[in-house]
Amino acid sequence: EVQLVESGGGLVKRGGSLRLSCATSGFMFSLYRMNWLRQAPGKGLEWVSSISSSGTSIYYAESVKGRFTISRDNAKNSIYLQMNSLRAEDTAVYFCARDDLGMADLDYWGQGTLVTVSS
Amino acid sequence: SSELTQDPAVSVALGQTVRITCQGDSLRSYYTNWFQQKPGQAPKLVIYGKNNRPSGIPDRFSGSTSGSTASLTITGAQAEDEADYYCNSRDSGGYHRVFGGGTKLTVL
Repeated sequence: EVQLVESGGGLVKRGGSLRLSCATSGFMFSLYRMNWLRQAPGKGLEWVSSISSSGTSIYYAESVKGRFTISRDNAKNSIYLQMNSLRAEDTAVYFCARDDLGMADLDYWGQGTLVTVSS
Repeated sequence: SSELTQDPAVSVALGQTVRITCQGDSLRSYYTNWFQQKPGQAPKLVIYGKNNRPSGIPDRFSGSTSGSTASLTITGAQAEDEADYYCNSRDSGGYHRVFGGGTKLTVL
């Protein structure tokens, strides 16, 4: 069974840093592109970042570029999101999600971890 | 353009057919994915590619695209289909993902 479990969320002050983790199981992690997405309270979905299976191709939304860093450890079947210079507008539930090897983007999601940035 | 536009809310009578639409220039070049999200839950992929359903998604869900408009059709809506629905695709460069603002579906 494919599972993705996010952790690391919490309350942080504006300008602070936080590192999110997404631990996976149930599939050959090293073959799959992975993503971080977020959803502000009561709002829609926003893609944050993607990382290729090898970690060599990385993309960021403009809203987080230069502040967030995505990474992965294929030996630990995990991806990470280092978030620096956090702003109030970064407050959201952060999800990790897998891209299928075929056409299905974002075919499996974790349950999310809440990040709250206080001013 | 990297924007996808959805109607904020749609309603349907139980057992009837409903279409949820998504407009955006990038839909002319890239497939649209559709996600269902119920309160307190993670989004679930219901349609991907040209018109494909992941395992476990009922066949009352279908997708189509015409020009810059993608549609998610639920034929014979059930009470459990009441949820928020989001369309998703790529931006014009192909590497960034974009989402519509979501459509809240109410089953009457």
